[in-house]
This record gives sequence, structure tokens and C-alpha cells, in this order.
Amino acid sequence: DVKVTQSSRYLVKRTGEKVFLECVQDMDHENMFWYRQDPGLGLRLIYFSYDVKMKEKGDIPEGYSVSREKKERFSLILESASTNQTSMYLCASSLWGRARGYTFGSGTRLTVV
Amino acid sequence: AQTVTQSQPEMSVQEAETVTLSCTYDTSESDYYLFWYKQPPSRQMILVIRQEAYKQQNATENRFSVNFQKAAKSFSLKISDSQLGDAAMYFCAVLGNRDDKIIFGKGTRLHILP
Repeated sequence: DVKVTQSSRYLVKRTGEKVFLECVQDMDHENMFWYRQDPGLGLRLIYFSYDVKMKEKGDIPEGYSVSREKKERFSLILESASTNQTSMYLCASSLWGRARGYTFGSGTRLTVV
Repeated sequence: AQTVTQSQPEMSVQEAETVTLSCTYDTSESDYYLFWYKQPPSRQMILVIRQEAYKQQNATENRFSVNFQKAAKSFSLKISDSQLGDAAMYFCAVLGNRDDKIIFGKGTRLHILP
């Protein structure tokens, strides 16, 4: 089975800190995604990547950046964390064109204080 | 742009009964895929069922089945013989053929009453 691992399950950071959320998948998937999940808003796409060093903005990229230096790793970066970025962050990966849906990580609940 | 609407933020069902979760979607693509995902308290998103839009036959996975009405752009999920382990947040989602991005609805929280 494909495994998508998010490095932290819970994270508490201070306002203004630079925050890195790491995601690693072990099945050679081309596509990787970062979503943010908030009550009543569902999952909203922040950034995605179809290949190494490629990145595309999703629906809510403001305040975030990403890095994909290796195929298996996709990092979400909060340059200067703010309290409105307190949320659940979900990483996912998929094989291009297979339309089998995503495999998700177990999420990182980030609190910015 | 693709959109997904889940009109029921919360639902409850008695254990062993049947429940139907509603979903409507909109897409301009002719070829697309529809999904239902389950997110239990553990937070792990699990794919429940998948439907290819070009297939008229409704998908079924054990106690889970869908009612896919393409013309109405409706994709409801039926859970038969509900079990306590079915308690979760359920997300309906659509994937177009062009860009491999899945668009999710806002979710329906399902409670199972013992």
C-alpha cells in the first residue's frame, strides 16, 4: 500500500515563525497536494505539484509556499505564521492519469499562538 | 470550474439502519470521476467508493453504494446496515480529466446512534 507520511501530527508555533510541514510518499507518485481543512469549509487546495521542482497554486496559496526538490517529498512552508493559519493540513499524492483518487497522510494539526 | 455541494452538514442514523448522504456537483468536463471519502476521528482520509462518469452502472462496495444521476449531476451515497464504525465525516469529491485535481465538498458529519 502507498504510504503518505506527514512528519508531525500536532504542531504549535508562534506568530511570525517560519514553519515547515513535511510530507513524504513512498510509491513514486508524480502528483502531490497540500490541502487545508477547516470546519464548515471542507478541504481547500493550497498548492500542488506534478513533478520535481514543479509547483502550481491552488485556491488559497496566499501566505504559503512549497518546495519539491525530490519526487517523494513535498514541503509546505508558512513564511511568517499567523493565527489565521491555525488549521488541519492534509498532504496527498496520486499517480497521474490513473484517476484512482488520492492517498492521504494523517494530517498535521497546526496551532499558531 | 468544478464545484461540489453537500447540503447536509450533519446527519444521524440508528445502528443497522440505512442512510443516504446527498451530493451535487458541477463540472464542464465531459469525462470525470466522482468519489466519496470517509474521515473518521483518526483523521485518516479513506476512499470509500469511486464512480467513473462514463459508466451508467452505479458503483457498489459492500454496504456502500451510490446513486449516480449524471443528467441531474447528483451523486448520493447510501450506507446500508449502518455500523458504529461508520461514524465519520464524509466528503464528496469530483476529479476532472484535465488536471488531476480533486475538488471536495464541505462534508457531512454522520453520527451512528446505538
